[in-house]
Amino acid sequence: DAGVTQSPTHLIKTRGQHVTLRCSPISGHKSVSWYQQVLGQGPQFIFQYYEKEERGRGNFPDRFSARQFPNYSSELNVNALLLGDSALYLCASSLGSTNTEAFFGQGTRLTVV
Amino acid sequence: GQSLEQPSEVTAVEGAIVQINCTYQTSGFYGLSWYQQHDGGAPTFLSYNALDGLEETGRFSSFLSRSDSYGYLLLQELQMKDSASYFCAVTERDDKIIFGKGTRLHILP
Repeated sequence: DAGVTQSPTHLIKTRGQHVTLRCSPISGHKSVSWYQQVLGQGPQFIFQYYEKEERGRGNFPDRFSARQFPNYSSELNVNALLLGDSALYLCASSLGSTNTEAFFGQGTRLTVV
Repeated sequence: GQSLEQPSEVTAVEGAIVQINCTYQTSGFYGLSWYQQHDGGAPTFLSYNALDGLEETGRFSSFLSRSDSYGYLLLQELQMKDSASYFCAVTERDDKIIFGKGTRLHILP
């Protein structure tokens, strides 16, 4: 079985642009969460979606948005990119609504120049 | 506020036992998880505690004391491949997950 897959793996964007990151969860998992990880730090929680509804939101500005599709895949959108948005963006899927065991994808490395 | 504290680095010898502590302060605690992350890799789930006590999974064990807002990860029979960063993470009742800053484990031969 495939694990959590994310695309693209690497991305370079210019300040002010918009970016869309994609995530496909493990088959059968209905919950998807997004995290931002800066080098040397722990993942920072951005969003959790379960059954296509937002269940949790971290302390990120409104420039960050996400959605979950009927097939449980998810997109993370970031508008008006800032240099500080450069990070590894991780997606994790879990079976139920409560993230007791999350399976992470390899992440998307976003560089904003 | 919400915070998790864990040591930034720990060094141990191959074959030994090491304990990584985590203290937390959150608004609505649901459970404590531990994740391992190798350089350049994704975090990998190790264990989860919702109730007080010890959970054992092979060489790894995790402990939780809800009254003390404290937990630890115990790694036994250390192997070189255990060199990685270890994160404790709190799941809150509103479904947020708060990660600690991570503990870098160095293993000496």
